[in-house]
This record gives sequence, structure tokens and C-alpha cells, in this order.
Amino acid sequence: KAGVTQTPRYLIKTRGQQVTLSCSPISGHRSVSWYQQTPGQGLQFLFEYFSETQRNKGNFPGRFSGRQFSNSRSEMNVSTLELGDSALYLCASSLRLAGTGELFFGEGSRLTVL
Amino acid sequence: GIQVEQSPPDLILQEGANSTLRCNFSDSVNNLQWFHQNPWGQLINLFYIPSGTKQNGRLSATTVATERYSLLYISSSQTTDSGVYFCAVYPGANSKLTFGKGITLSVRP
Repeated sequence: KAGVTQTPRYLIKTRGQQVTLSCSPISGHRSVSWYQQTPGQGLQFLFEYFSETQRNKGNFPGRFSGRQFSNSRSEMNVSTLELGDSALYLCASSLRLAGTGELFFGEGSRLTVL
Repeated sequence: GIQVEQSPPDLILQEGANSTLRCNFSDSVNNLQWFHQNPWGQLINLFYIPSGTKQNGRLSATTVATERYSLLYISSSQTTDSGVYFCAVYPGANSKLTFGKGITLSVRP
């Protein structure tokens, strides 16, 4: 059974640009949640999608957005990048809503903003 | 929101030693998971353990929900156990999964 796949694994952008990250969940999983990990703030919840609907959202500015497709694949987008957006972005999939079942994480997308 | 505290923040062990990692949380939870983050950044699911005790090889975990803590036991540690261990809790409906700051474990050969 394939695991959670995130692309791209590494990327470098400059301030003001935008970026789109992709996450393919484990087959059959309907929940995809996204997290930002930085040395200063640790692991922080961004948002969760379940059956194409955003179910919950963390405390991030509107520059951070996401969506989920009918095949459960999810994308997150960050517009007008800032230096502070440099982080490891992790997505996790779950059979049920993220808080009610086991979470399985991808390898992450490491974003560097110059 | 709920507070999650992990201790100790750093731990250095000699290979073969045993250790106990602790996770305290400030409110009741519906879900608790332990993860190991490997050197490449991936979070590996260790235990889904909202209550009770589970064992998987050299690792075991216990959650005492009524006293708001969970323990992760590592026995006969190996260098491959090195990394950061996170616990994450979910308080309930309309809340979000909240992670502790992690425990950095270094196992020396």
C-alpha cells in the first residue's frame, strides 16, 4: 500500500512569489491535513480537508489556502511569500477526521524563501 | 487552547539503555498519538493511544487519560532510535490536532 506522497520535496522561491504544494493521501483515506514545521514555532496545524470540504483551519493568514479534489488529493498554496514562510510543510492523511483516527505523514516539502 | 508539554526536552543515551518520554496535556483529549521524526523530516506513526497501554517490539506506550499524561518507553535503545519524538493530542470536535515541542533523543554507540 503506497504511503502519503508529497511533491515537490524541495523548492526555493523568492519573496513575493507564490508556491503550490501537492499531497496524495493513502488510498481510501478521505482526510488530508497540513502542518507547518519551523524551528521557532514547532509543528503548527494549517488546515484539514475531508471529502473536498475544509473542516478546520489554523491561525495562519489568508495567504495560505488549500483545496481537495474528488480523488482526495490536496494542494496548498502560499501567495506573496515572505522569508518567514521558509519551513517544512507536512501533510497527513487519515481514514477519518484527523483527530479521530491515526495520522500518516508524508516526507514533507521543504520550502526555502530567499 | 490545550497545552501539551513534553519532557525532558533532550535526552542522550548509551546504546542498550532504556528511557521514558513523557507527554502532559492540560485538558481531556479524544485522541493521542506518538510520532518519531527521522533525520530526513518524516513523521513516523508509533502509537495511536487515547488510553491504555500498547506495545510494539522494543517500544511501548501508556496513556492515563484521567490524569492527562502519556508515557513512551524505549527499551534496549539503538542508534536508529535517534531523532525527535512528538506527541499530538486532539481535544475533541471543532478543535485541532496540537503537537508538543518534541523530545530530541540521541543514542550513542
